[in-house]
Amino acid sequence: EVQLVESGGMLVQPGGSLRLSCEASGFSFRNYAMKWVRQAPGKGLECVSYISSGGGTIYYADSVKGRFTISRDNAKNSLFLQMNALRGEDTAVYYCASLRGLQPHGFWGQGTLVTVSS
Amino acid sequence: EIVMTQSPATLSASPGERATLSCRATQDVTSNLAWYQQKPGQAPRLLIYAASTRVTGIPVRFSGSGSGTDFTLTISSLQSEDFALYYCQQYNIWPLTFGGGTTVEIK
Repeated sequence: EVQLVESGGMLVQPGGSLRLSCEASGFSFRNYAMKWVRQAPGKGLECVSYISSGGGTIYYADSVKGRFTISRDNAKNSLFLQMNALRGEDTAVYYCASLRGLQPHGFWGQGTLVTVSS
Repeated sequence: EIVMTQSPATLSASPGERATLSCRATQDVTSNLAWYQQKPGQAPRLLIYAASTRVTGIPVRFSGSGSGTDFTLTISSLQSEDFALYYCQQYNIWPLTFGGGTTVEIK
C-alpha cells in the first residue's frame, strides 16, 4: 500500500522555524519527483516547492523563496521542507505529493498543519 | 505565472444530473492539465491528468477534455459522493498553479 506520511507541523511564532518531513512507503520513492503543496484555512491550493527524483532540480514559489528549503533522502524514502522566517501567511496544511517530472502521480499525504501565530 | 480560472465558482445540481466544470489558462498549457476532487478534511484526490486520462479506479462518469487554454471536466451523472470541491491544475511550467475551485453542491 502506498503511503505518504507528513509530520512536523505545529504552532510556531512569527519569525520561527520548522522542519516538515514526509515519509514514503509502498512505491519506488527514488524514481519520483516530489512537491509540497499548502492550503491555508478555507483557501485554495498552492504549490510551494518541487524537487526532482535525484534532487538536481529544485523550484520554489516566489512566496517562499529564500525562506524555505526542500530536500530529500532517497536512502530513507524521505522528503523534507525546512521553513525559516515564518509568517502568518504561511499558516496552512502542508501536503507532500509525488510526480513524474511535473506530471501528477496521484499519491498525496494526509497533510500536517502549520500554524504561525504569537 | 500561468493563472487558472475555474467557472462557475459553485454549481448546484441534483443527483443524476450532468455537471460541466470549466477551467481556463492565461497561456497555452498544451494538455498538461489535471483535475482534482477534494472533500472536507481530506487531501486532494487526482481524477484526471493529461487533460483527459482518468486515473486508475476513477469512475467512467468522470471525463476530461480540452487542450491549449480551455478545459472541461464532465461528470455524466452525479452520484451522492461526487458533491465536493474540484480543482484544475496546470503542470506545463513552474510554478504549478491551481484554479480557485468549483464547488459542486446538492440542489
